Amino acid sequence: DTAVSQTPKYLVTQMGNDKSIKCEQNLGHDTMYWYKQDSKKFLKIMFSYNNKELIINETVPNRFSPKSPDKAHLNLHINSLELGDSAVYFCASSQGTSNQPQHFGDGTRLSIL
Amino acid sequence: QKEVEQNSGPLSVPEGAIASLNCTYSDRGSQSFFWYRQYSGKSPELIMSIYSNGDKEDGRFTAQLNKASQYVSLLIRDSQPSDSATYLCAVNGAGNNRLAFGKGNQVVVIP
Repeated sequence: DTAVSQTPKYLVTQMGNDKSIKCEQNLGHDTMYWYKQDSKKFLKIMFSYNNKELIINETVPNRFSPKSPDKAHLNLHINSLELGDSAVYFCASSQGTSNQPQHFGDGTRLSIL
Repeated sequence: QKEVEQNSGPLSVPEGAIASLNCTYSDRGSQSFFWYRQYSGKSPELIMSIYSNGDKEDGRFTAQLNKASQYVSLLIRDSQPSDSATYLCAVNGAGNNRLAFGKGNQVVVIP
């Protein structure tokens, strides 16, 4: 009964490839997020969707494209992968957009060779 | 100035002692404050949320918020080896939907 689930858990690929990460939540939340946690463990917001609408779009290269087919799903597609993209990517969800706590998935560890 | 600062280095505490973690934030209008625990290789897990000045207790955890001084702290009483983790402070700013995280404080409980 995983609340926020991401696939795959690990992703190892070569520079220049295109890859996608999927996220699904069964908490009934209406807001979902993508975070990047780098090697220094700093957790930084990338995107957020509320009811399929993009509400947060931080300074992220346009090689990263989120897509939310419905409020329970938020996917992340990355084009032309670079070495600096190596990190752990976390999906999260919350009910509402402002004051509610966010619940995180288990993360996807992306390694670029 | 970073939005959320956690400046202390790794904190080592003996089992049974109190671990104290501090966090300061820059947005005076911030409304919501959270502490997350992250074990190595795992995802952040919410352990406390606090919205108004004062103390909030949940089991062995106490969160303290002082909006005038713009700090929030976390106390862990009767520390256990299972409390060894990185603790992330997160603050939701006024009028925006972003949750800003501090860099985290590593806690090591020594049996």
